[in-house]
Amino acid sequence: DAGITQSPRHKVTETGTPVTLRCHQTENHRYMYWYRQDPGHGLRLIHYSYGVKDTDKGEVSDGYSVSRSKTEDFLLTLESATSSQTSVYFCAIRSIAQDTQYFGPGTRLTVL
Amino acid sequence: KNEVEQSPQNLTAQEGEFITINCSYSVGISALHWLQQHPGGGIVSLFMLSSGKKKHGRLIATINIQEKHSSLHITASQLSDSASYICVVSLGGSGNTPLVFGKGTRLSVIA
Repeated sequence: DAGITQSPRHKVTETGTPVTLRCHQTENHRYMYWYRQDPGHGLRLIHYSYGVKDTDKGEVSDGYSVSRSKTEDFLLTLESATSSQTSVYFCAIRSIAQDTQYFGPGTRLTVL
Repeated sequence: KNEVEQSPQNLTAQEGEFITINCSYSVGISALHWLQQHPGGGIVSLFMLSSGKKKHGRLIATINIQEKHSSLHITASQLSDSASYICVVSLGGSGNTPLVFGKGTRLSVIA
């Protein structure tokens, strides 16, 4: 699992509230990613980071922001959660040496 | 834009059957990955391929770079193989080039 944890693992919140999801890694990987997974769509990239304070948008970035103030943590924030953001969120790191990604356990978010 | 297409989308097989899942992509890649996700579970990397064939236990993955096609085979399928299998392509070695994911094949193995 490349030492990846996500918190919280489950969250239920109300529309309009801010939500922050945390991804933590212990192996000093440079590249980190946030995905959402929804039935019929598979995994879709929200944002990614290629270093501390270096981030970029993925294909479904609207309504999300990210921050990476240190190598080990990549935060995903929903400034004002909407029901369409109900999903399972996966964090991943990329091992360039192995040209593969390792995924965290996922966070199930429900926005009521 | 690179597209990754998997077939079939859903598959039901009898325990013991030989199973094949296909993946096609449209542009040159540096590597292709197969991932496994059990219902409600996490995502695990099964294989990373850049050419030829790899085998882990009952799972075999092949890739044909010229035809832009890969297959995942499961021999003597078991109930525990029931999962989604996701094909992912890497367009380059830099992490600035995100991976491109197929939508997955949902496999159900029944007794």
